[in-house]
Amino acid sequence: AQSVAQPEDQVNVAEGNPLTVKCTYSVSGNPYLFWYVQYPNRGLQFLLKYITGDNLVKGSYGFEAEFNKSQTSFHLKKPSALVSDSALYFCAVRGLMNTGFQKLVFGTGTRLLVSP
Amino acid sequence: TAGITQAPTSQILAAGRSMTLRCTQDMRHNAMYWYRQDLGLGLRLIHYSNTAGTTGKGEVPDGYSVSRANTDDFPLTLASAVPSQTSVYFCASSDSTSRTGDGYTFGSGTRLTVV
Repeated sequence: AQSVAQPEDQVNVAEGNPLTVKCTYSVSGNPYLFWYVQYPNRGLQFLLKYITGDNLVKGSYGFEAEFNKSQTSFHLKKPSALVSDSALYFCAVRGLMNTGFQKLVFGTGTRLLVSP
Repeated sequence: TAGITQAPTSQILAAGRSMTLRCTQDMRHNAMYWYRQDLGLGLRLIHYSNTAGTTGKGEVPDGYSVSRANTDDFPLTLASAVPSQTSVYFCASSDSTSRTGDGYTFGSGTRLTVV
């Protein structure tokens, strides 16, 4: 069965510093990987995805993610954090249900807190 | 703006009462989903629908039912609410036939408290 692990409940970083939010995955076959962000009292918003191609994927709001097949990781990164980046971040992998229907499997989320 | 509309935004419900959470999308996506979000557990799939007229069970379907009479609407019904159904509920949709692996579009959620 497919799964995603986000080992950190919370990541703290000072504004202007680089940030990394970690994600590892387990899936059969080629992985389709996603990052979503959730601001308070809002739904999840798509940030970026990896389907195939370059291991470094660029997404919205200056975020990028590095796909590492050997380490089965898909860490989210940003060179210079902003206070407004403070939010809840979810990693997800596309998997298959027993019916053959595709679904996204989400991690438990990592809260990013950027201090001024 | 295209997207997903959920209603109500929040609700306090007495245990044992029934309630329907509404979800409507205007993107003509074939697939729709209901998730619940709980602290420390992330998002868990309740039910899904691959196309109008068909539905399927997710990870945590007990106590919930859905219907998909048309492409746009995917209501979630709690027949007899229990306190453990206190959660934030998100509806989502996607074009599951996309070969580019498109992700989901989410609604803003319904915060339900069962007392």
